[in-house]
Amino acid sequence: AQSVTQLDSQVPVFEEAPVELRCNYSSSVSVYLFWYVQYPNQGLQLLLKYLSGSTLVESINGFEAEFNKSQTSFHLRKPSVHISDTAEYFCAVDSGNTPLVFGKGTRLSVIA
Amino acid sequence: GAGVSQSPSNKVTEKGKDVELRCDPISGHTALYWYRQSLGQGLEFLIYFQGNSAPDKSGLPSDRFSAERTGGSVSTLTIQRTQQEDSAVYLCASGYRDGAFYGYTFGSGTRLTVV
Repeated sequence: AQSVTQLDSQVPVFEEAPVELRCNYSSSVSVYLFWYVQYPNQGLQLLLKYLSGSTLVESINGFEAEFNKSQTSFHLRKPSVHISDTAEYFCAVDSGNTPLVFGKGTRLSVIA
Repeated sequence: GAGVSQSPSNKVTEKGKDVELRCDPISGHTALYWYRQSLGQGLEFLIYFQGNSAPDKSGLPSDRFSAERTGGSVSTLTIQRTQQEDSAVYLCASGYRDGAFYGYTFGSGTRLTVV
């Protein structure tokens, strides 16, 4: 069965500093990978996805994630965070034959 | 519609009552998921519908939970004899497969409170 591990439950970071939210998955088949963001008191929004092709994917608000098949990772990065990035971030994996599986989430807190 | 619509947005019910939660997926999407998110917890898979295939019910926590999807579109999640531990946000997501898959879109959820 596939699983997703988000190693950090909470990540505090100062504004304009870089951040990396880690995500590792286990699956024996090809996967689709996702990052979802949940702002306070809001629903889940798709931040970015890897389906195929280039292993580096980017979002419109400056986040990027790189699919590393050998390390089974899909870490999320941003070179300079803003206060507005404060949210919970969920990594998810879909192998096509089993339900979409989520990690437990990482709460990013950006400090002014 | 333009997005996934869930109703009601909030539901307070007494312990032991039955509740029905509704999900209107994006038109044309063949895949539909139900998840629940408890306070401070991650997302727990409940049930998955894909086209005309039999649903994957492996995530339903007990036989008090059931779901159906009528006409391949609207889905209803029913919880019978609600318990306090059923209090959570219930999320629905839809996506399109059969050669065109771009990820899943989530609704805003139904916040269920059992008192």
